[in-house]
Amino acid sequence: DAKTTQPPSMDCAEGRAANLPCNHSTISGNEYVYWYRQIHSQGPQYIIHGLKNNETNEMASLIITEDRKSSTLILPHATLRDTAVYYCIALSSNDYKLSFGAGTTVTVRA
Amino acid sequence: ETGVTQSPTHLIKTRGQQVTLRCSSQSGHNTVSWYQQALGQGPQFIFQYYREEENGRGNFPPRFSGLQFPNYSSELNVNALELDDSALYLCASRVAGGTYNEQFFGPGTRLTVL
Repeated sequence: DAKTTQPPSMDCAEGRAANLPCNHSTISGNEYVYWYRQIHSQGPQYIIHGLKNNETNEMASLIITEDRKSSTLILPHATLRDTAVYYCIALSSNDYKLSFGAGTTVTVRA
Repeated sequence: ETGVTQSPTHLIKTRGQQVTLRCSSQSGHNTVSWYQQALGQGPQFIFQYYREEENGRGNFPPRFSGLQFPNYSSELNVNALELDDSALYLCASRVAGGTYNEQFFGPGTRLTVL
């Protein structure tokens, strides 16, 4: 699976949008971009995934660049409960081993 | 719908001992994976079980072993515990052959090896 690169940390103001970047310049054509988050003392939680098109669900939006070398997870209105470590993972359609890197620690401040 | 549960929540063992951790999959899920998460790091894949057999393994030695039962619950066994085995152990369940790979994680078991 392609390696992903994320900033180690970022702060966000409560109520504002949080934009989390992820670089995956070596991603292959059959690899999806998955996002998980891990709130302190809990197991990771699936957020969203995409292949080429932008995706939106009740939790977040995922914007993937046309060349697929990078993506951005958008939390539209961050709340204090969104404080967590966010992981960006490249995973092929027939794979199941999630390769978690260090992730981005997002702190939402009141 | 019952989520993924794990037991015990916390466990303290001494070096050289053996430990068994337990996981109950989410209802309807037939595949379970185990992950090890050392402090300050992301989870690392240990292995996956499907139809009661191991069908994928990460870079972990044979003293890490597992079982999956007909009701899809699972155990992780670690023999000859080492200090570096101290970590949060997570289990995740999913439906094999689903249209996408959403895995549902339990809250984990915190193992401390003294």
